[in-house]
Amino acid sequence: ETGVTQSPTHLIKTRGQQVTLRCSSQSGHNTVSWYQQALGQGPQFIFQYYREEENGRGNFPPRFSGLQFPNYSSELNVNALELDDSALYLCASSLNMGLKETQYFGPGTRLLVL
Amino acid sequence: DAKTTQPTSMDCAEGRAANLPCNHSTISGNEYVYWYRQIHSQGPQYIIHGLKNNETNEMASLIITEDRKSSTLILPHATLRDTAVYYCIVKVIQGAQKLVFGQGTRLTINP
Repeated sequence: ETGVTQSPTHLIKTRGQQVTLRCSSQSGHNTVSWYQQALGQGPQFIFQYYREEENGRGNFPPRFSGLQFPNYSSELNVNALELDDSALYLCASSLNMGLKETQYFGPGTRLLVL
Repeated sequence: DAKTTQPTSMDCAEGRAANLPCNHSTISGNEYVYWYRQIHSQGPQYIIHGLKNNETNEMASLIITEDRKSSTLILPHATLRDTAVYYCIVKVIQGAQKLVFGQGTRLTINP
């Protein structure tokens, strides 16, 4: 519905592994934000990318990293996975231009770390 | 970003108006009020946002008090599909774009 897509939808990893999650932004949007949502909690801001540069970061360790590509799609990489990284990972796209900065979310990727 | 306070849960009968309150007493002049909702295990859905005037769209109406310290989201004719967690967020419209989610209000629409 929002035009924001994420892949994969579900993923199971083991502790210590690395994972890459992908997000395609809505057409015309140049900004992607990533959020982590633990069970029963509201989403927590991880970081944001604007024109391929990191444009703000939340309270997450450096093993959470990201990329944005020239077509504005984005990746979230998590190294050395821990059990507490099990969560729903959400990306949101927006157009960084004055009053049109509403963020639209994708369906999320559910990550389970065993 | 200013913090918001919402009731933990609310119930509403199907077909009636659902009125969800939000307190944001420390809101600054350049902060907008945003509402999102999240249906179980899906991504948050944008509903509406406003600065100081009341706003209406096809989903809902947003009523902001004159002093901007509180607001109410109104779903005029609630359906079972409106059962969700509703988040009220205040955010500066430019610059840092992160959304700070609280616990939200779990709205249950009863048949």
